[in-house]
This record gives sequence, C-alpha cells and structure tokens, in this order.
Amino acid sequence: DIQMTQSPSSVSASVGDRVTITCRASQSITRYLNWYQQKPGKAPKLLIYAASSLQSGVPSRFSGSGSGTDFTLTISSLQPEDFATYYCQQSYSNPLLTFGGGTKVEIK
Amino acid sequence: QVQLQESGPGLVKPSETLSLTCTVSGGSISSYYWDWIRQPAGKGLEWIGRIYVSGSSNYNPSLKSRVTMSLDTSKNQFSLKLTSVTAADTAVYYCARERWEFNDAFDIWGQGTMVAVSS
Repeated sequence: DIQMTQSPSSVSASVGDRVTITCRASQSITRYLNWYQQKPGKAPKLLIYAASSLQSGVPSRFSGSGSGTDFTLTISSLQPEDFATYYCQQSYSNPLLTFGGGTKVEIK
Repeated sequence: QVQLQESGPGLVKPSETLSLTCTVSGGSISSYYWDWIRQPAGKGLEWIGRIYVSGSSNYNPSLKSRVTMSLDTSKNQFSLKLTSVTAADTAVYYCARERWEFNDAFDIWGQGTMVAVSS
C-alpha cells in the first residue's frame, strides 16, 4: 500500500502569512495527488486535483505543486476562513485511494 | 447543483450490520463513481469503497470482507452495508462523488452522518 505522510501535523500562523504544507508518498505517484480542506463539523472540500489544478471556485491564494513522491500545498496569504485541517489524497494506486494524516492550520 | 445526503441509523449494536443510504439530488447517479469515506472522531479520513452505475465496485482491502455496496438508479441512491461492526467502526460516514477526470478526486460530499457502535 502507498503511505501518505503529511508534515507538519499542525502549524500556527497569522493572517497574511504564507503557509506551506507537505505531503510525501512512500513511492512515486507521479501527479496523482489531490488536496482537501476540512473545517470542524463539515465535510472535506476539494481544493486541488492532479497536484496543481485548482478546483473551480477555490481562491487563487491556494496552489499545489510537486510530482513523484513530494508535494506541497501553499496558501500565499492566509485568511481567517483558511484555518482548518488539510488532507492530501493519492489516486495512483486506483482503486485503492488513501489519504494523508492531515495538517491542522491554527491561529497564532 | 448536485447534492448528496446520507441517511441511516445513528446507533448500531456490536456484531450487527451498519446500513447507510446516500441520496443524490440535482443530477443523475448514472455517471461517475460513488464512494463512501469515514472519519473516526478526531482522526483522519479512510476510504471505504466505491460503486459505479454498472454495478462494478471496489473496496478497501482492510474492510473488503465486511463491505457491500449497491446502487438504485430508480431512486438515485447508493448504499453501504458493513457487517459485524465493532466499536472501531464508530465514525462519521460520508458519501462522495468521485471524478475520474479530476484524478479520482472527490468533488462533492454529503454532510456526513455519525454512526456509533454500542450496546
């Protein structure tokens, strides 16, 4: 099975900060990597698919990059509504789809 | 726009079968893969499996022996059955639409339904 490891597990940041979250795969997944945002008590929301494609309606301050085993999600200027938990998900080993453990972005 | 809504018992006894239904509104179920994903309290997301309109299904190997999914096009619904449940199956269960053209990303989710396994 492909293991997805996110780091850090949590990060404290202020409004306006640039925040970078990393997701590492246990083997190459080319660009089969998606990112989600989840707020407390809510379902996850798709932000980025195929490593760097922005889902419709998602603000442009969110961006994704990477290929192979190492991927990043960047929030260029953190907004109050961005405090949430972020998950990566790989689909390379389709049909077995797996998620990373999550990164919580907290208010500093 | 397409919306998903989970329904089913919020409490299931140990060793019994968990049964949930997801109703799709605002669009047809006759396309895409339809998935179930769960999340124990305070923990991460676990993919359970998916079903296609053809009846073809795929399950997480860790749950495969206990999972069955089905789909009813006449009702625009799909369902999950998980047998022999234990406390470890206590979680929020989400249904979601999977888009192959988005690298098998889940672009629409239900609000989730909490299922507790307890006697």
